[in-house]
Amino acid sequence: NAGVMQNPRHLVRRRGQEARLRCSPMKGHSHVYWYRQLPEEGLKFMVYLQKENIIDESGMPKERFSAEFPKEGPSILRIQQVVRGDSAAYFCASSRTGGVGVAKNIQYFGAGTRLSVL
Amino acid sequence: DQQVKQNSPSLSVQEGRISILNCDYTNSMFDYFLWYKKYPAEGPTFLISISSIKDKNEDGRFTVFLNKSAKHLSLHIVPSQPGDSAVYFCAASGRDMRFGAGTRLTVKP
Repeated sequence: NAGVMQNPRHLVRRRGQEARLRCSPMKGHSHVYWYRQLPEEGLKFMVYLQKENIIDESGMPKERFSAEFPKEGPSILRIQQVVRGDSAAYFCASSRTGGVGVAKNIQYFGAGTRLSVL
Repeated sequence: DQQVKQNSPSLSVQEGRISILNCDYTNSMFDYFLWYKKYPAEGPTFLISISSIKDKNEDGRFTVFLNKSAKHLSLHIVPSQPGDSAVYFCAASGRDMRFGAGTRLTVKP
């Protein structure tokens, strides 16, 4: 019973390149969330997706960042034209349901992708 | 906007004593609260939660207290063990979930 799977675990990119981070949610989970953790900081919400829909992208930078969760396959967080400030750990979480409260909304996290921009 | 705040970035406690981690929130629409624990190079793992209709939830050595009027929750760990040393994140959930910045707990043997 696999948990949330993220790959790659480590990703190195040069400035200007594209970074693609993948997340496969837990079996039976249809809600995916992406968070960013900068060094010495907490988790910052980026985006919340359901299958084929972006529910809340209020934490996502307006430029260069995009996310998708297609009907088939993993969720993808894409960062175009990376800059050094994008270096961080990116965590994906999934939940069985989303929205208003109660135990169904517990999010389970992957191990993260550590992005380093040279 | 910091809707969830953990004002203590670090806490050090002696083994066997009580650890108390605090969290404050501003949005009264939050109705479910969670604590996560994170070790280095790993993702956060769910620890314990509480619904807004309760004021206390206990699971073994871990107890979460919620004071809705003060918009404050706390996590008590007793007795604390060296293996509890980690970063603890408080989270609040409504339509979506927001996390605090975390408190690094160190339990000294």
